[in-house]
Amino acid sequence: AQSVTQPDIHITVSEGASLELRCNYSYGATPYLFWYVQSPGQGLQLLLKYFSGDTLVQGIKGFEAEFKRSQSSFNLRKPSVHWSDAAEYFCAVGAYNQGGKLIFGQGTELSVKP
Amino acid sequence: NAGVMQNPRHLVRRRGQEARLRCSPMKGHSHVYWYRQLPEEGLKFMVYLQKENIIDESGMPKERFSAEFPKEGPSILRIQQVVRGDSAAYFCASSPPSTSVPNTIYFGEGSWLTVV
Repeated sequence: AQSVTQPDIHITVSEGASLELRCNYSYGATPYLFWYVQSPGQGLQLLLKYFSGDTLVQGIKGFEAEFKRSQSSFNLRKPSVHWSDAAEYFCAVGAYNQGGKLIFGQGTELSVKP
Repeated sequence: NAGVMQNPRHLVRRRGQEARLRCSPMKGHSHVYWYRQLPEEGLKFMVYLQKENIIDESGMPKERFSAEFPKEGPSILRIQQVVRGDSAAYFCASSPPSTSVPNTIYFGEGSWLTVV
């Protein structure tokens, strides 16, 4: 079955510390991978996406993610977290010929300590 | 969220009433998707529409839910005879007219439905 797993429901990091949010997927076809961020009461904003090519992708707000096919993972990283990064982060997977039909993980809530 | 417009942002309905949620896609986008986010959960795909066509409704509940995207006007997600379990955030997303490659979809701000 196709699925996306975000193992960490809630993570707390100190401002200025590095961050890694985990995402594992199970998908029969070639996956196309996304990370979205959602602030409370708001919609989803695309951080970055991987379709093909270089497995390390850069996104907005200083985020990056690395696609590792052998581990079925697409972890999101940021070298130095800012208080404004506190939000919910969603990993999602799509496929060729599926248009915008995505499967989302359950999300990881990020809290940032001063 | 890049220009996908949803309204109303917040909607309160009594059990048994109807809820209608509207979505205008980004300019130039002809594909619309509806997702539902239940409390403490991620987003779940509901339906994928093009103008006057339902492409994929595999995520729609079998009863009481319907969606349309007419030739003119916004896409509508309609929930008849709402129950408390329908309380959720409903997100619309849109993408450009291509299904042969993976599309980046852009989400609206969401419509929060509360059933009392």
